[in-house]
Amino acid sequence: GAGVSQSPSNKVTEKGKDVELRCDPISGHTALYWYRQSLGQGLEFLIYFQGNSAPDKSGLPSDRFSAERTGGSVSTLTIQRTQQEDSAVYLCASSLPDVLAGGEQYFGPGTRLTVT
Amino acid sequence: GESVGLHLPTLSVQEGDNSIINCAYSNSASDYFIWYKQESGKGPQFIIDIRSNMDKRQGQRVTVLLNKTVKHLSLQIAATQPGDSAVYFCAEKTGGGNKLTFGTGTQLKVEL
Repeated sequence: GAGVSQSPSNKVTEKGKDVELRCDPISGHTALYWYRQSLGQGLEFLIYFQGNSAPDKSGLPSDRFSAERTGGSVSTLTIQRTQQEDSAVYLCASSLPDVLAGGEQYFGPGTRLTVT
Repeated sequence: GESVGLHLPTLSVQEGDNSIINCAYSNSASDYFIWYKQESGKGPQFIIDIRSNMDKRQGQRVTVLLNKTVKHLSLQIAATQPGDSAVYFCAEKTGGGNKLTFGTGTQLKVEL
């Protein structure tokens, strides 16, 4: 497809389990972002990849969160030993390199994570 | 600290009226601002953007106004339609890179 895709769309997991969330960005977009959105809240920045540069991990809330981007395309966000407070919608976005040159972020539909 | 916030969490308007959604930001170094629309169950969708060297920008039925003196951003929607019902977020970019800081959102409800 032409847009950002994410999988799964919904994930229910038990507290303490690990989860992996996947993001397929728009082809040609070198920048990829992960955000977290709690119910009724705004978007919380988690991590940002730009080409081959070191990712900006400044938004990751704890060392239980990590993300990879393989081959400059698909990204996986991993949450280890999930906690109930991790329940949220996890959104992925991609963009062209320069946000000031038409590089607005295009968002996927999100993965709704529920930790029971 | 840096923050982007919205004055009104919920805005109800009559169909056909104009809507104004406001946003306050605290970082005077921010050089780029975006408005996003998020419908229920979907990811945010880009509406319009504005750079800090501008004070107004118009799109189709939407206008963004930037007042750097008071660090205020607004989104105006003309002739609001039921399809405009959504949560609207403002976001700002500060410094290098593409990282955006999002506000908490305003729920726009269009009444028939």
